[in-house]
Amino acid sequence: GQQLNQSPQSMFIQEGEDVSMNCTSSSIFNTWLWYKQDPGEGPVLLIALYKAGELTSNGRLTAQFGITRKDSFLNISASIPSDVGIYFCAGQSDNYGQNFVFGPGTRLSVLP
Amino acid sequence: DAGVIQSPRHEVTEMGQEVTLRCKPISGHNSLFWYRQTMMRGLELLIYFNNNVPIDDSGMPEDRFSAKMPNASFSTLKIQPSEPRDSAVYFCASSLGLSYNEQFFGPGTRLTVL
Repeated sequence: GQQLNQSPQSMFIQEGEDVSMNCTSSSIFNTWLWYKQDPGEGPVLLIALYKAGELTSNGRLTAQFGITRKDSFLNISASIPSDVGIYFCAGQSDNYGQNFVFGPGTRLSVLP
Repeated sequence: DAGVIQSPRHEVTEMGQEVTLRCKPISGHNSLFWYRQTMMRGLELLIYFNNNVPIDDSGMPEDRFSAKMPNASFSTLKIQPSEPRDSAVYFCASSLGLSYNEQFFGPGTRLTVL
């Protein structure tokens, strides 16, 4: 089946630094989604991308839909302690469940 | 407004026992999704319903797993018999239509099978 790879697997940054993470696949996706999961909670949608090349922001977060449709990037500017958590990408290649997958996640730690 | 409600939040059971996880979707949402999350396999979509009808259950690991949605406000995920490898966090999510980008996740049920 389709798989997503996320890098890095984990990262430690200083408060105030910018963060970049990415999500790649060997398959083409029509939609890319970025979620954040806090400990003990379910994932929460951050950004949804629908077109190749699309760049979308949500506050300090910016995500891009790669032109090849096989990757996506998430950037966080001026990190703060509450940015700590696991960031998941998810891809959807059509409207049916068997083509919707989550990546393994990037664990972000923010040091004060 | 109440979000997706799952119960129990934690479940500890012994191998071979039947386990039933419950989910109440957000009122008005007509799609419901069950996920399993483990360290080894990450987040996996098990099954989803639209208008109470199972649309795709290809993610259900094996016959020991079954899911039902008897009405628009309630769904169950049952494991019978349970095995230690079923230990995971099980999430329920709901959305309007089959829109994955509008999924709202519940807090999850942490299942431990001894």
